[in-house]
Amino acid sequence: GAGVSQSPSNKVTEKGKDVELRCDPISGHTALYWYRQRLGQGLEFLIYFQGNSAPDKSGLPSDRFSAERTGESVSTLTIQRTQQEDSAVYLCASSRDRGRGYQETQYFGPGTRLLVL
Amino acid sequence: AQSVTQPDIHITVSEGASLELRCNYSYGATPYLFWYVQSPGQGLQLLLKYFSGDTLVQGIKGFEAEFKRSQSSFNLRKPSVHWSDAAEYFCAVGAGGSYIPTFGRGTSLIVHP
Repeated sequence: GAGVSQSPSNKVTEKGKDVELRCDPISGHTALYWYRQRLGQGLEFLIYFQGNSAPDKSGLPSDRFSAERTGESVSTLTIQRTQQEDSAVYLCASSRDRGRGYQETQYFGPGTRLLVL
Repeated sequence: AQSVTQPDIHITVSEGASLELRCNYSYGATPYLFWYVQSPGQGLQLLLKYFSGDTLVQGIKGFEAEFKRSQSSFNLRKPSVHWSDAAEYFCAVGAGGSYIPTFGRGTSLIVHP
């Protein structure tokens, strides 16, 4: 597709349930980022994938959070045993190549709005 | 570690008026600086970025920003605001050696007709 897509766009779940959020990056983009945006807050980095390198997981808030990416394609963010404080918008972004660092623009998806009841 | 502050949570302007959104950063060396806009229900879109060179940066949609090292600021400006500019604006700072930018909490722009 033309841009980064994310699904579902909205997710309501009960506390304690597991959820999976999906991100389809722009074709050819080797770098993929996940962020969390809580109400009234800035973006909080969660995890970063670059090609076949080991992901940078330094932003994951707890071991309930995990993410996978196969090659340079789709990524899935999984939250196990969801808590109410997990309610947020989860944003995915992709960019071309890490080699040029910040000169590569990040393209963001529309996000998944997660509500944990 | 780098940090970024957007002191204004909300800004209200009249359509056609000029706009300045403030951004202050903290970082020991020359930072990478960004402004993003997020329209309701949308992802973030890059408006402009500064890495080096000319301290006045032109972006999309008629926006510009000026890097002022002495003030540790990177304020976003637009000479005449349109109703469609109403959105959330995020400033972000990045440091050399890390590819993960730090985002400010955002400034919500309200445009009155």
